[in-house]
Order: sequence, then structure tokens, then C-alpha cells
Amino acid sequence: DTGVSQNPRHKITKRGQNVTFRCDPISEHNRLYWYRQTLGQGPEFLTYFQNEAQLEKSRLLSDRFSAERPKGSFSTLEIQRTEQGDSAMYLCASSSADRDTIYFGEGSWLTVV
Amino acid sequence: AQSVTQLDSQVPVFEEAPVELRCNYSSSVSVYLFWYVQYPNQGLQLLLKYLSGSTLVESINGFEAEFNKSQTSFHLRKPSVHISDTAEYFCAVSERGFGNEKLTFGTGTRLTIIP
Repeated sequence: DTGVSQNPRHKITKRGQNVTFRCDPISEHNRLYWYRQTLGQGPEFLTYFQNEAQLEKSRLLSDRFSAERPKGSFSTLEIQRTEQGDSAMYLCASSSADRDTIYFGEGSWLTVV
Repeated sequence: AQSVTQLDSQVPVFEEAPVELRCNYSSSVSVYLFWYVQYPNQGLQLLLKYLSGSTLVESINGFEAEFNKSQTSFHLRKPSVHISDTAEYFCAVSERGFGNEKLTFGTGTRLTIIP
């Protein structure tokens, strides 16, 4: 078991471009979460999947953001028409059915220039 | 809805001295409580958690935290810190029961160990 894996770890993109991040959760974890962390702040919840179903979305997740988990395993987070305010670390996490502990990946840094 | 307050944004401590990082929470329902640690340029690692039972929980690297329901606190302590403890520490809560899966984090406390 290698933990939650995220890639790319770093992405620099020009304003207006689209970016996609991938998350591979811990195997057999059916719950998957996306958080966003900006400098000097704690992580903020974005969205949550149970298997392939997206069960909750934060108001932070604007229409430019879309997350999928097509087969209930890995997940992607796409940001369309990026803005400088999207610059942050995007954290993926997963948990098992007892959901008492959420395990985080190392995050994907996004810099929009 | 829950909220978490970490009053100290930065805590400098001399090596081998004790430290306490404060965490207070607000929630209308029972909660689970967590401390996560984040080393520079890395993701979050679970340090310790309180789910039920004994109100004093310990980590493998000498940290401990005590759940105090009356004071709605979950302060993190270590009797003697090491240089390698330099990191940012986040307190987090989640609601017990079904239907609410997400963690709510505090703004973090940056612990700096002074040699």
C-alpha cells in the first residue's frame, strides 16, 4: 500500500489555460476527497466521492471546476480557464468505509501566471 | 457547521523545551478530533486522533493531545521538542454520524524549534 498518490506535483500554467490533476487513492478506500490549501491557510474542502458518486460539493467549487471518479478508483480535478486566484495546493485524500481517518496525498501545486 | 480556532499562528520553542499548541472547536454535534502535521512542501500527515474512549491520545513520536469537552479544546503537547518537529500543525474536526464526511481545519500553527 503506497498511500495516496497525486500528479503532477507541480504545475505552472498561463491564465486562461485548463489544467487537470489526478489522484490515486489508497487501494480499497471507497471515499475520496479534494481539498484546496492556499498560503497561510488550512485546507478547505472542495468535494467528496463515495465510489463513483460525487456526494457533496463546496461553494468554493465554481463552474470552472469539475471533478470525476469514473470507475470509483482514481479521480481527476479539472480547472478550466484558470485564474490567478486558483493558485494553491490541491490535496487529495481517501478513507475507508469506517471513515474515521482521512489520509492525504502530498498535494499538487498550481501556479497560474 | 463546525469551526476550529488555532489562536497561535507561530510558536517558537527552544530545543528540548516543552510545547503546547492550542486548538478550540465549535460544533452543535459530537465530533471526531484530529491533529495533522505538514512538513515543508509536503502534504498532511495524521499525527493523532480522538474518536472515543480515553480523552488522552498519543502519537508515536511523543506528542499527546487531550480532548476536553467542557472547554471544547484539543490542545497538542510535547514535553521535549526536537529540531525535526519543525513543521506546521493543523487541528481538524469532523462530525460524528452519517452524512457529513468532511474535515474542517484550523488555520494552522507554525512550530519553529530554536537550537
